[in-house]
Amino acid sequence: QKEVEQNSGPLSVPEGAIASLNCTYSDRGSQSFFWYRQYSGKSPELIMSIYSNGDKEDGRFTAQLNKASQYVSLLIRDSQPSDSATYLCAVYQGTYKYIFGTGTRLKVLA
Amino acid sequence: SQTIHQWPATLVQPVGSPLSLECTVEGTSNPNLYWYRQAAGRGLQLLFYSVGIGQISSEVPQNLSASRPQDRQFILSSKKLLLSDSGFYLCAWSVGHGTEAFFGQGTRLTVV
Repeated sequence: QKEVEQNSGPLSVPEGAIASLNCTYSDRGSQSFFWYRQYSGKSPELIMSIYSNGDKEDGRFTAQLNKASQYVSLLIRDSQPSDSATYLCAVYQGTYKYIFGTGTRLKVLA
Repeated sequence: SQTIHQWPATLVQPVGSPLSLECTVEGTSNPNLYWYRQAAGRGLQLLFYSVGIGQISSEVPQNLSASRPQDRQFILSSKKLLLSDSGFYLCAWSVGHGTEAFFGQGTRLTVV
């Protein structure tokens, strides 16, 4: 079982729609959770962090965490073509290590 | 504000040649430092991390090594590169436990 799992996609959504990205993790001791956006050929850019159960909103982005289900999600409202990228879920396991999923490729269709 | 510098941006090296990639962080003290590798179309693989000068933890046994000669400097090295060492190498930093980690621009290494 992979430590952090994401659907590789591509996930295609029309412009203006809500994109929903999901991530599951295996280590119940995981403490912190992050979403990164990575454009092709570029390094990952942090877009959201979440530390406790529930929702956290920042602009068009909402991160959701459910520790009981070991599930993290990212919602992007009013998706724009510039949101087209690969989204990486990362989990901090409490031993200085950040473990990443393989990413979900998002395509926003104009 | 904190910044991270990583160089070079691209590198083409022959098989069997040595490697040295350098990463420095500005604007913070005692950062946790990381080297990740991303193969084409793949996820990020943690190679090494360091929580202090001279302290290196290795995650993947291979022909790479890392060193931290100064508080904000992290170096990735190899004595002899293999074709399989090709990839996108990323340096990252964080502070404390479980806070956000930030990446440098990355080095795209092609071993030929």
